Amino acid sequence: DAKTTQPPSMDCAEGRAANLPCNHSTISGNEYVYWYRQIHSQGPQYIIHGLKNNETNEMASLIITEDRKSSTLILPHATLRDTAVYYCIVENTDKLIFGTGTRLQVFP
Amino acid sequence: EAEVAQSPRYKITEKSQAVAFWCDPISGHATLYWYRQILGQGPELLVQFQDESVVDDSQLPKDRFSAERLKGVDSTLKIQPAELGDSAMYLCASSLLVASDTQYFGPGTRLTVL
Repeated sequence: DAKTTQPPSMDCAEGRAANLPCNHSTISGNEYVYWYRQIHSQGPQYIIHGLKNNETNEMASLIITEDRKSSTLILPHATLRDTAVYYCIVENTDKLIFGTGTRLQVFP
Repeated sequence: EAEVAQSPRYKITEKSQAVAFWCDPISGHATLYWYRQILGQGPELLVQFQDESVVDDSQLPKDRFSAERLKGVDSTLKIQPAELGDSAMYLCASSLLVASDTQYFGPGTRLTVL
């Protein structure tokens, strides 16, 4: 299973864009990149996923490099409620293998 | 919006006692997952069901853990006997089908073993 590398923590000012990086250099051609987040003491929440093309939904944008070895999750206007642990996961055959994620702290 | 339901939300038990957790997936979701999350770590898959059948329980400690999904809808995860190291969050997730379908998580059950 492809592994992912994320910074352990990041800060972001409220109202600014939060850009969360993820390296997945061993990803294979049929593996999706998924992003989930987990707010304290809650279950993980699905954010977005993609295979090759960039994706956008009401929560975030996902930018995947052309070689697919890294990706960036963008929260365009971070709010205090976006403070959470963000997990980047490479999914293969419907299995999600979580790492320790990036703890994003949004400050006023 | 449909959600995965779990109960109880919190459970405190003494070691060597039996505990059980219940999960009701989103209606129509064929695949159900149980995860365990130790504090400070990401969730780890324990067992995966496709309808009523177990498709992956390779990480389930079968000497003390059991899981069932008898009618292919709701599911129960049991620990007997509980040990101190079982203190964790137990999460249930469901997805519509199997391959590459988004998993939706419930709120979890936080277990404390004293």
